[in-house]
Amino acid sequence: DAGITQSPRHKVTETGTPVTLRCHQTENHRYMYWYRQDPGHGLRLIHYSYGVKDTDKGEVSDGYSVSRSKTEDFLLTLESATSSQTSVYFCAILSRGAGYNEQFFGPGTRLTVL
Amino acid sequence: AQSVTQPDIHITVSEGASLELRCNYSYGATPYLFWYVQSPGQGLQLLLKYFSGDTLVQGIKGFEAEFKRSQSSFNLRKPSVHWSDAAEYFCAADRGSQGNLIFGKGTKLSVKP
Repeated sequence: DAGITQSPRHKVTETGTPVTLRCHQTENHRYMYWYRQDPGHGLRLIHYSYGVKDTDKGEVSDGYSVSRSKTEDFLLTLESATSSQTSVYFCAILSRGAGYNEQFFGPGTRLTVL
Repeated sequence: AQSVTQPDIHITVSEGASLELRCNYSYGATPYLFWYVQSPGQGLQLLLKYFSGDTLVQGIKGFEAEFKRSQSSFNLRKPSVHWSDAAEYFCAADRGSQGNLIFGKGTKLSVKP
């Protein structure tokens, strides 16, 4: 499982509430990613990080912010949650070797915004 | 725009039958290509990957995939499906140096006894 944990695993919140999801890795990988998964859409990249304090937007970044103050933790924040952000959120890390990249995924966080 | 297309939303096969799941990509150059599997309520598990070289790649659980540049395809195959293969399958392509993946929308596989 590449040492990736996500917390919380399930969360129910109300519209307008701030929410922070945490991704933690134990193997010192430089690159980390946040995706959301919705039926009929597959997985879509929200934000990614290529090092401490280095982040960039993905294809569905509106309404989300991220922070990475240390290598092992990548936080995803919904400043003011909306019902459209009800989704399953996956964190991933990038494992690099000679001539290959592989992403490994965490177990996911199911977020419901009422 | 770069994209990955999985034409089949849902496929049903009988246990023991062969399987082929389709994946097409639209990229300027040959990307890295991946197949992931997701069982209900679970995360994604990497089945196999293609980077270069031999166009027929072997993966875990008896799966293989063939890269065909002329067709921009990377179809997943298995000669004999087991009931435990019922899951959702995602094809993905690596956008470039940052390792960002673009995913297809997935194909849900059901297996009939």
